[in-house]
Amino acid sequence: QVELVQSGAEVKKPGASVKVSCKASGYSFTSYYINWVRQIPGHGLEWMGLINPNVGFTKYAQKFQGRVTMTRDTSTGTVYMELNSLTSEDTAVYFCARDVTGGGCDYWGQGTLVTVSS
Amino acid sequence: DIQMTQSPSSLSASVGDRVIITCRASQSITNFLNWYQQKPGKAPKLLIYAASSLQSGVPSRFSGSGSGTDFTLTISSLQPDDFATYYCQQSFRTPKTFGQGTKVDIK
Repeated sequence: QVELVQSGAEVKKPGASVKVSCKASGYSFTSYYINWVRQIPGHGLEWMGLINPNVGFTKYAQKFQGRVTMTRDTSTGTVYMELNSLTSEDTAVYFCARDVTGGGCDYWGQGTLVTVSS
Repeated sequence: DIQMTQSPSSLSASVGDRVIITCRASQSITNFLNWYQQKPGKAPKLLIYAASSLQSGVPSRFSGSGSGTDFTLTISSLQPDDFATYYCQQSFRTPKTFGQGTKVDIK
């Protein structure tokens, strides 16, 4: 069965970086884009960007451009999202989600809580 | 960026009620509109894709309609499991923006 399993919760200091992983299984890893979506506690969903695991192509939301990097490791079927220069406003749950071309996100990871606090 | 506006932001309803949530895009997105359900502490769940296609395993009481800029999600007969927050999302163009959400709670 399709599964996306994310890395565990993180606590970071302001100015630090965080790297969240998302390990895919149960399907052809290179056949589906992966989106990253975050949710600040008590708020809505915010699309951060996506990666094509086949060729590594990425597209980021303008808000995160220059601060986010999405990568993949095809040998392990894992995608990564690294966010730099963290502030308290980056405290959120970060989700990875499999993209159905032209459609929505049909499978999601369980979410990773990133807390930024001094 | 394409802005997605949902209404209402919240609503109270009873089991058995018909519930309609609307989503408006700031420009035409043809039928590239998806609906999700999210419960507290959980990842979103895809309900409807391409405006009106029911995701596999989703109960038929959920339906979607619309094209261009105006879309609706209808729950024909609200069930206890349906109390949650619902989001629309456009997948016409990146960034794949979401609506602000509609919280459905018990009247």
